[in-house]
Amino acid sequence: QKEVEQNSGPLSVPEGAIASLNCTYSDRGSQSFFWYRQYSGKSPELIMFIYSNGDKEDGRFTAQLNKASQYVSLLIRDSQPSDSATYLCAVDTGRRALTFGSGTRLQVQP
Amino acid sequence: DADVTQTPRNRITKTGKRIMLECSQTKGHDRMYWYRQDPGLGLRLIYYSFDVKDINKGEISDGYSVSRQAQAKFSLSLESAIPNQTALYFCATSDPAGERTGELFFGEGSRLTVL
Repeated sequence: QKEVEQNSGPLSVPEGAIASLNCTYSDRGSQSFFWYRQYSGKSPELIMFIYSNGDKEDGRFTAQLNKASQYVSLLIRDSQPSDSATYLCAVDTGRRALTFGSGTRLQVQP
Repeated sequence: DADVTQTPRNRITKTGKRIMLECSQTKGHDRMYWYRQDPGLGLRLIYYSFDVKDINKGEISDGYSVSRQAQAKFSLSLESAIPNQTALYFCATSDPAGERTGELFFGEGSRLTVL
């Protein structure tokens, strides 16, 4: 079992819709959770991080964490074509460096 | 100029050759990392260093070595390159005291092809 799992996609949503990206992790001791966005041919950039159970909102982005279910998600409201990218879930398992999932490719159709 | 600079950006080499990928940063961060990215496999950690005297293996260190020459420089070497080391390599830094603990700052990547 991979430590951090994501559906590779592509996830296709129409412009203006809500995109929902999901991630599960195996280490119950994981403490911090991150979402990185990576445009094609570019390096990853951090867009959201969450430490506590519940929701955290930043503009059109909402990160949701459920430690009991070992599940973290990213919601993108009012999706735009510019949101088309690969979204990488990363987890701090306490082993001193982040562990990444394989990423979900999101396509927002105009 | 980029805060995290990787050289070379692209390299094609042959099996058995020694290759060095270099990373330098101007962010003043103590922590530096090397990840490799393959299609469908995400980012996998090769080595990481929390200061000049602290170097640690990641999940896929076999076939690789690193050198932390200074706080700002962290090099990755492939002693004898093989085709399955063909990948996109990223250097990254982080600041544990930063506001967004855990945030990694990535270089632009080095694409390596081993024939």
